[in-house]
Amino acid sequence: EAQVTQNPRYLITVTGKKLTVTCSQNMNHEYMSWYRQDPGLGLRQIYYSMNVEVTDKGDVPEGYKVSRKEKRNFPLILESPSPNQTSLYFCASSLGGGGETQYFGPGTRLLVL
Amino acid sequence: AQKITQTQPGMFVQEKEAVTLDCTYDTSDPSYGLFWYKQPSSGEMIFLIYQGSYDQQNATEGRYSLNFQKARKSANLVISASQLGDSAMYFCAMREPNWRNNAGNMLTFGGGTRLMVKP
Repeated sequence: EAQVTQNPRYLITVTGKKLTVTCSQNMNHEYMSWYRQDPGLGLRQIYYSMNVEVTDKGDVPEGYKVSRKEKRNFPLILESPSPNQTSLYFCASSLGGGGETQYFGPGTRLLVL
Repeated sequence: AQKITQTQPGMFVQEKEAVTLDCTYDTSDPSYGLFWYKQPSSGEMIFLIYQGSYDQQNATEGRYSLNFQKARKSANLVISASQLGDSAMYFCAMREPNWRNNAGNMLTFGGGTRLMVKP
């Protein structure tokens, strides 16, 4: 089944404790992206990647890192999480970066205390 | 300035009636794309419809159609014959090229409209 998976789905952590949210897709998509969703703000793009080793900042990259060492994986790293990073995070992928449909993962709900 | 504006935070529609969800956008790039997504209460994001800036005709997908008015920079979603299952958040989004490097395109979302279908 074609899908985007994220892990974990739910996470409670404390300020400053490094964490990684994994994202994997099995559709051989080139384009992958991370978003955060906050009430009233819609989804905001954190980082995106057009292909392996090609990444770029979105609208809200501060406090996040990403890597794209393999085509299928695009982990999101929070080196030192802070409470303002409490949010719902989505990973998405598409065949390219154009008009193709973006397939979204199920979301990761993160609470930083 | 907001790149994507959805002015209706919430809307009601009677079942079986049509409803229009507004979306205006702001870009100076001639090449862009517009998307609509649905997010039900379960949280997943579901792609509905896409319109490219060079497309001559308005996009349609089943009960969904996109009223694309390029000069006015609007891309309203029309849902015909509303169903109870259409109750959800709806997001308009725009893809623009990123000319800073070749990392691809950025996708910007509006704040969303919550649609509630009344039986």
